[in-house]
Amino acid sequence: KNQVEQSPQSLIILEGKNCTLQCNYTVSPFSNLRWYKQDTGRGPVSLTIMTFSENTKSNGRYTATLDADTKQSSLHITASQLSDSASYICVVSDRGSTLGRLYFGRGTQLTVWP
Amino acid sequence: EADIYQTPRYLVIGTGKKITLECSQTMGHDKMYWYQQDPGMELHLIHYSYGVNSTEKGDLSSESTVSRIRTEHFPLTLESARPSHTSQYLCASSEFNGTYQYNEQFFGPGTRLTVL
Repeated sequence: KNQVEQSPQSLIILEGKNCTLQCNYTVSPFSNLRWYKQDTGRGPVSLTIMTFSENTKSNGRYTATLDADTKQSSLHITASQLSDSASYICVVSDRGSTLGRLYFGRGTQLTVWP
Repeated sequence: EADIYQTPRYLVIGTGKKITLECSQTMGHDKMYWYQQDPGMELHLIHYSYGVNSTEKGDLSSESTVSRIRTEHFPLTLESARPSHTSQYLCASSEFNGTYQYNEQFFGPGTRLTVL
C-alpha cells in the first residue's frame, strides 16, 4: 500500500533555532517528492521538489534531502522565524499512471515561539 | 502566489441545504482537482478533471458532484448537506505537458464548510 508517514506530528522551537522534519514513504514506482507549507486556513504552497536522481534541494532557509534507496526525505529549516509556523506536508507522486497520483502525509505542525 | 481562487472561504449552513463551492483559476491549466482535508489529517482526492467536460471521482468516496463546463471553472455541489460533510475543501490545478509526473499542483485557499 502506498503511504507517506511524517514525524514528528508536532514540534515547538524557539525563534532562530534550526529543526528537521522527517518523511518516510512506500510509494512505488516513485516519481518525485515535494514538501509543501500550509499556513492555517490556507492552501498548501510548494517549497521544494526532488526527482529520483536528486539528493538535495534548497529554497532559501529550507533544505530538503532525499534518499531514494531508503525511501526517506527530510526538510531542514535554518534560523527559524515566527512566519515559519505552519504545517509542513510531504507529498510523493507515483509514475504508474498519467494521473500523476499524489500521496499526502498528515503533516508536521511546526510552532515557532519568540 | 498562484492564481486560483475559492469562494466562499467560510460557510456555515444547516442540514439539508444545497451548496456550491466555487473554484476558479486564471492560469489556463487543463487539470483541476478537489481535495477534502480534516484537521490533522492528510488531503484526500475526491474529484478531478482532465479538461472541459471531463470529471472523474477520486480515491475518497464523496456525495458531492462536480462540473467542468469552462476551463477556468470547477465548482463542487452538495445537493443536501449533512454534518458529516463538515470539512475543509481545497481546489487545485496543474498544467499538462505530455505527462503529469512532474507538474506542480497549485492550491487555492480552501473553503471551510460547517454543516449544523
